[in-house]
Amino acid sequence: QVQLQESGPGLVKPSETLSLRCTVSGYSITTGFYWGWIRQPPGKGLEWIGSVYHTGSTYDNPSLKSRVTVSIDASKNQFSLKLTSVTAADTAVYYCARKDGYAATGAFDLWGQGTLVTVSS
Amino acid sequence: DIQMTQSPSTLSASLGDRVTVTCRASQNITNWLAWYQQKPGKAPKLLIYKASSLQSGVPSRFSGSGSGTEFTLTISSLQPDDFATYYCQQYDRYYTFGQGTKLEIK
Repeated sequence: QVQLQESGPGLVKPSETLSLRCTVSGYSITTGFYWGWIRQPPGKGLEWIGSVYHTGSTYDNPSLKSRVTVSIDASKNQFSLKLTSVTAADTAVYYCARKDGYAATGAFDLWGQGTLVTVSS
Repeated sequence: DIQMTQSPSTLSASLGDRVTVTCRASQNITNWLAWYQQKPGKAPKLLIYKASSLQSGVPSRFSGSGSGTEFTLTISSLQPDDFATYYCQQYDRYYTFGQGTKLEIK
């Protein structure tokens, strides 16, 4: 079955760049679907960060003021997130997820287990 | 930005109760609405998509309704596994989640 797994540093210094990868198993990510990142600060709600289509086209949350880059690495069957100029407010559990097309569910139907990233010096 | 407002924030109920959670969108999102269930330390799980369609494998006691700006999630008879936090999410323009409704045991 299809599975998603996040990986990356659990601690990032303020003003630096947060980098995470999501490895997809059981499905080639360039075949279809949208692939995205969602985060959840401790004890708080969910915030969509950005997504990449299987073709490589991307879109991200305007509230994050162009700090976000989402991309696909087809050779590794991974997609990645880079978030620049981080502050303590970016401390959260980061989830990668698959989003189906609008002809199907249109929603995030498969999620990774999440990885906690703490921003601290 | 489309804002999503859930009510109540916390809901106390007993096994077997019928419960309803409401989600209101700040503008018309037609039926581009999903509901998720999240348990502590776990990723969200998709329950309902397109406002009223049940995701494969989700028990039929869960149902969704609404269109436009007003939506509801109903659990017809609460089971022990249902005590969790529930989020609505619009996907009409980008993606925005509600603040969550925590369902507690009374």
